[in-house]
Amino acid sequence: DTAVSQTPKYLVTQMGNDKSIKCEQNLGHDTMYWYKQDSKKFLKIMFSYNNKELIINETVPNRFSPKSPDKAHLNLHINSLELGDSAVYFCASSYGTSFDEQYFGPGTRLTVT
Amino acid sequence: QKEVEQNSGPLSVPEGAIASLNCTYSDRGSQSFFWYRQYSGKSPELIMFIYSNGDKEDGRFTAQLNKASQYVSLLIRDSQPSDSATYLCAVNSKNYGQNFVFGPGTRLSVLP
Repeated sequence: DTAVSQTPKYLVTQMGNDKSIKCEQNLGHDTMYWYKQDSKKFLKIMFSYNNKELIINETVPNRFSPKSPDKAHLNLHINSLELGDSAVYFCASSYGTSFDEQYFGPGTRLTVT
Repeated sequence: QKEVEQNSGPLSVPEGAIASLNCTYSDRGSQSFFWYRQYSGKSPELIMFIYSNGDKEDGRFTAQLNKASQYVSLLIRDSQPSDSATYLCAVNSKNYGQNFVFGPGTRLSVLP
């Protein structure tokens, strides 16, 4: 009965590959987010979806494409992976768009070699 | 200019003491302020949020907000070794549209 789950937990891949990370929440929330935490532990918002609609799209390379098939799922697809994409990617969810009471998933550690 | 700033630490306090964590932000239009705790290798967990000037208490935690000084702090009373973690300040900033910005975090170490 995990609230926010992500798969996979670890992802090791080579430069140039395309990969996806999946996120699911069972909290009934209507807003989901993707964050990137780099090697210096700096956490930065990438995208946010509310009721399947993209509402936040930060300055992120267009190699990153989020997709929300329904309110409970938010996936992140990354094309042509680069070394600098290595980081921990966190999914989160909340009610509404005020960022109150966000619940974070366990994270996906992506390593690009 | 960094939008949200915190001392990186580590901040070391003895067990039972009060730990004081500070955060400053640059956008005067910011409306809501959050404190998260992140244990090493884990995901951030919300401790509390504050909207209005003044203090907000929740158990051993007190958030203090001063919008005039663009300053928000977190006090942890009766610190325990289990409080040792990185504390992240986050601000809902209206700059460039709705945005949610984290500070770099302060590492707290509570010594037994």
